Amino acid sequence: AQSVAQPEDQVNVAEGNPLTVKCTYSVSGNPYLFWYVQYPNRGLQFLLKYITGDNLVKGSYGFEAEFNKSQTSFHLKKPSALVSDSALYFCAVRVLGSASKIIFGSGTRLSIRP
Amino acid sequence: EAQVTQNPRYLITVTGKKLTVTCSQNMNHEYMSWYRQDPGLGLRQIYYSMNVEVTDKGDVPEGYKVSRKEKRNFPLILESPSPNQTSLYFCASSQGTGYGYTFGSGTRLTVV
Repeated sequence: AQSVAQPEDQVNVAEGNPLTVKCTYSVSGNPYLFWYVQYPNRGLQFLLKYITGDNLVKGSYGFEAEFNKSQTSFHLKKPSALVSDSALYFCAVRVLGSASKIIFGSGTRLSIRP
Repeated sequence: EAQVTQNPRYLITVTGKKLTVTCSQNMNHEYMSWYRQDPGLGLRQIYYSMNVEVTDKGDVPEGYKVSRKEKRNFPLILESPSPNQTSLYFCASSQGTGYGYTFGSGTRLTVV
C-alpha cells in the first residue's frame, strides 16, 4: 500500500537553531512529494514540492527539503528556526496512477522556543 | 485574489439532517478534492475530481456525496450526517498533477 509517515508527533527547537521535520514514504515508481504548513485556525499552505531533478528543493519561508531515494525520505529543513515557524507540518505524496489522489502524513507539530 | 472559498466556516447540526458544504475556486483549476482532518489521523481524502462530471472516491467516502457540474464548484453533501462525521473539512484545488493544492479555510462540522 502506498503511504507516507511522519515519525515525530512533535519537534521542539530553539530559535536560531537548524530544524528538521522527518518524512518517509512508500510508493510505487517515482514519487511526487509535497510539504504543507498549517497555522492555527487556517487551511493548509503549500510549502514546496519534489517532482524530479535536484534532490534539494527550496520553498517558501526559507524552508527546503531533501529527497533521498535510497532511504525513501523527504525531510523538511531550515537552517535557522524562527518562533513564527511554529505550526503543524504535513508531508504528502501523490499516488501513482492517480492525478488527484494525494495521501497526507499524520502531521508534525513544530514548536520553536525563543 | 486566487482562492478556494468554503461555506460555512462553522456548522452544528443534528443527526440525519441533510447538509451541503459549498466549495468554489476562482483559479480555473481542473482538480478539486475534499479532505477531513481529525486529530492524530492527519488529512484523509474523501472524494476528488479531475474535471467536470469526473469524480472518484478517496480513502473515506462512506456517508458523503459530491458533484462537479461546473469547473469552479465542488460541493460536499452529507445526506444523513452522523456524529462520527464531526470533523474539520477542507476543500482544495490544483491546476495539475505536478502542482500543490490550494486549500480553503476549512469547515468545522459538529453533528449532535
